[in-house]
Amino acid sequence: AQSVTQLGSHVSVSEGALVLLRCNYSSSVPPYLFWYVQYPNQGLQLLLKYTSAATLVKGINGFEAEFKKSETSFHLTKPSAHMSDAAEYFCAVSDQTGANNLFFGTGTRLTVIP
Amino acid sequence: EPEVTQTPSHQVTQMGQEVILRCVPISNHLYFYWYRQILGQKVEFLVSFYNNEISEKSEIFDDQFSVERPDGSNFTLKIRSTKLEDSAMYFCASSVAGRQPQHFGDGTRLSIL
Repeated sequence: AQSVTQLGSHVSVSEGALVLLRCNYSSSVPPYLFWYVQYPNQGLQLLLKYTSAATLVKGINGFEAEFKKSETSFHLTKPSAHMSDAAEYFCAVSDQTGANNLFFGTGTRLTVIP
Repeated sequence: EPEVTQTPSHQVTQMGQEVILRCVPISNHLYFYWYRQILGQKVEFLVSFYNNEISEKSEIFDDQFSVERPDGSNFTLKIRSTKLEDSAMYFCASSVAGRQPQHFGDGTRLSIL
């Protein structure tokens, strides 16, 4: 069975500071992993994905994530937070069946302090 | 950039009534999905659909739920007899292939009174 755990339901950082959002996964098969962002009253937008190629994945808006098999982690980082990064972030793992259903974490709300 | 569109954005329905949530997936996508997010909880998978049939469904997707692709563009979720606990945000998603990223719509907020 596949699942993800996001540590920290709320994270606050100062504008310009490092953003680190944590995600650990559990999967019985090599996983596909995703980070999605949700702005208020909007749907889920794909930030980046890991699909067993390079372990360091670069996404949109300056975000990146590193797949670490030994730690079963896929933490999301951004070197310098911007006010526009304030949103809810969801980590998800795929079950890699033909339909590739996603299993989401509980989300982390990022607040950026000016 | 093509996107998944969902209508309506907000649906208010009396308990026990039927409701149909509508989605237009991206035109060249072949896999379609419904997810729901109860307020304050995680996004949960409901059902996936490929080649005009259900590929997989979760335990949430019981007999009161059904999906349909009535024509070449729409993908609908029907809830036959709504319950209070069906109140949630419902997201439609589509992907070009089974292992490609899913693109989500903005969701329909369903409120059951």
